Parts: sequence; structure tokens; C-alpha cells
Amino acid sequence: GIQVEQSPPDLILQEGANSTLRCNFSDSVNNLQWFHQNPWGQLINLFYIPSGTKQNGRLSATTVATERYSLLYISSSQTTDSGVYFCAVPNRDDKIIFGKGTRLHILP
Amino acid sequence: DAGVTQSPTHLIKTRGQQVTLRCSPKSGHDTVSWYQQALGQGPQFIFQYYEEEERQRGNFPDRFSGHQFPNYSSELNVNALLLGDSALYLCASSFPGTREVLTFGAGSRLTVL
Repeated sequence: GIQVEQSPPDLILQEGANSTLRCNFSDSVNNLQWFHQNPWGQLINLFYIPSGTKQNGRLSATTVATERYSLLYISSSQTTDSGVYFCAVPNRDDKIIFGKGTRLHILP
Repeated sequence: DAGVTQSPTHLIKTRGQQVTLRCSPKSGHDTVSWYQQALGQGPQFIFQYYEEEERQRGNFPDRFSGHQFPNYSSELNVNALLLGDSALYLCASSFPGTREVLTFGAGSRLTVL
């Protein structure tokens, strides 16, 4: 099945810093989602981005489907950005497969 | 408009027992998917229900079963609990035509002793 790799696995930043999270996938996909899981376990859908670039406030995402990767950019980080960021893609059976996530910790 | 609601939020069981977790999808959503998330891992797909039938299943044993009701709500049942079943169980719903766009509930955290 499709493999989803996220990097880096862990990231510690000072408040106000910018960050780039990467998601590589092993097969062609027709969609990709980015999620943020807060410290209480709630998963929030950030972007549905099969290709191209989208922006929502301080967050933006770019997917280059032909090269099988997606990037999530977080600018001017805030402590509330802490948590785990997951990307998820469908496999050939349309089951949504998650990466292992990037754990982000923003220091005040 | 309530989002996806799950119950209970936390529960503790002992090995060999059975557990039932419940999920009400977001209004307008007809498809429910269940995921298991072990500590430090990404969510793993268990199965998906649509039109009251299991449509897809991940690599989970038959001890994991489910049901979807006419109002689209769903239950996840796990029999003969093992210590390794301790995890956060997440329910996600989606609406017709965009089943891959998932809205998640807050999860049910199961501890098996």
C-alpha cells in the first residue's frame, strides 16, 4: 500500500518563528489532507489540497502531486500551534492513510 | 450545528471484556469511519460505514465490529479486549460526494488493564 512519510518527526521553536513541515507519499494520489491534533486529541482538518497552494491566515499548504510531496507552512508561530500535524492520503482502495505526524512544540 | 460527537470520552476495561463506543456524525454527513490511534502513532483505519453497511475495512481482526443506524450514527464494538487495544478511538464523518474529506470527533480513550 501507499507509504506516507512526514518530516521532521519533532520540532521545537520559539514563538514567532516560521516552520515548514513536509509530507512525502509513495504513490500518485488524487487528494491530500493536513490535520492538526491538539494536546487533547482533537483532530482538526486544516487543508484539503490535492494540488496547488492554499492559504488560511498564518498557515499555507502546497502540494506538488507530480513529485509526490506536500508542504505545510506555519508563519509567526503561536503557542496554540503546538500539537501534532498529520498528512493523510487515500490508498488505491480509497482508504485514508495517515503519516506518523510531526510533533510541534512552540515555546513562549 | 454540532460536529461529530463521541461517547464515552474515557473508559477503563480489563482484558477479555467487551466495549462499545458510539459516534454521531456531523449534520448532513452520511458516512462514518473509525480509526485507532496508539500513543505516538498516526490514526489507523479500522472500517467505514455507509448506508448501514461496512464498505471498507483495514487490517483489524474480527474482534472489531461495527454498526451504522438509519440516522447515520455508528457504534464500534471490540470483543475479547487485549492490552494492545488501549488507544484513542476516533470517529470521522463525511458527506455524500466527498467521502475522503473527514471531520473528526474528539475521540474515546480506551485503557485496557
